[in-house]
Amino acid sequence: MQLLESGGGLVQPGGSLRLSCAASGFTFSSYAMSWVRQAPGKGLEWVSAISVSGGGTYYADSVKGRFTISRDNSKNTLYLQMSSLRAEDTAVYYCAKIYSVSSQFDYWGQGTLVTVSS
Amino acid sequence: DIQMTQSPSTLSASVGDRVTITCRASQSISSWLAWYQQKPGKAPNLLIYKASSLESGVPSRFSGSGSGTEFTLTISSLQPDDFATYYCQQYKSYWTFGQGTKVEIK
Repeated sequence: MQLLESGGGLVQPGGSLRLSCAASGFTFSSYAMSWVRQAPGKGLEWVSAISVSGGGTYYADSVKGRFTISRDNSKNTLYLQMSSLRAEDTAVYYCAKIYSVSSQFDYWGQGTLVTVSS
Repeated sequence: DIQMTQSPSTLSASVGDRVTITCRASQSISSWLAWYQQKPGKAPNLLIYKASSLESGVPSRFSGSGSGTEFTLTISSLQPDDFATYYCQQYKSYWTFGQGTKVEIK
């Protein structure tokens, strides 16, 4: 089972970035997925989650209205579109597989670093 | 929103010690609680789910207990590989993590 994030990098405040998470080794289309972030030297913060079909999406208040989660089950890929980025969005972003509906995160990717700075 | 508070923030212990970390929820979450271990530069790793169920492959020296608003993670005999940061997570209403407990070498 593998989750591989990509798309991180340096972006200016107010800019946009799209993260991807390629899944393999399990039936991606059968599991809800999530994004979690960790600012440098800080703890874990849940960011967003998406249902199996993609019809249900959920966001932390800190990113609501700026981030959009989506998935392409034909490509086994999870996405996070981030816009109106702020310095406080600087973090390592992890994708995670949700074991079952509204449950624990049983597999995590290795993360991709997003740095928001001018 | 459900808030999660861990204590202590840092814990100094020796190999072989029994270690206990506490996690408190701002409202009842029944048993909808997980514990994760994270080492520097690595992704978190699931240890315990549903408050007391041990994830497959996790050593039996790890155990979890509690329900409602108060939970504990216990390491029965601390091993060198266990020096890391531990997080609790509630999943009764969306997901919230505690601030973490760093277990360091005494």
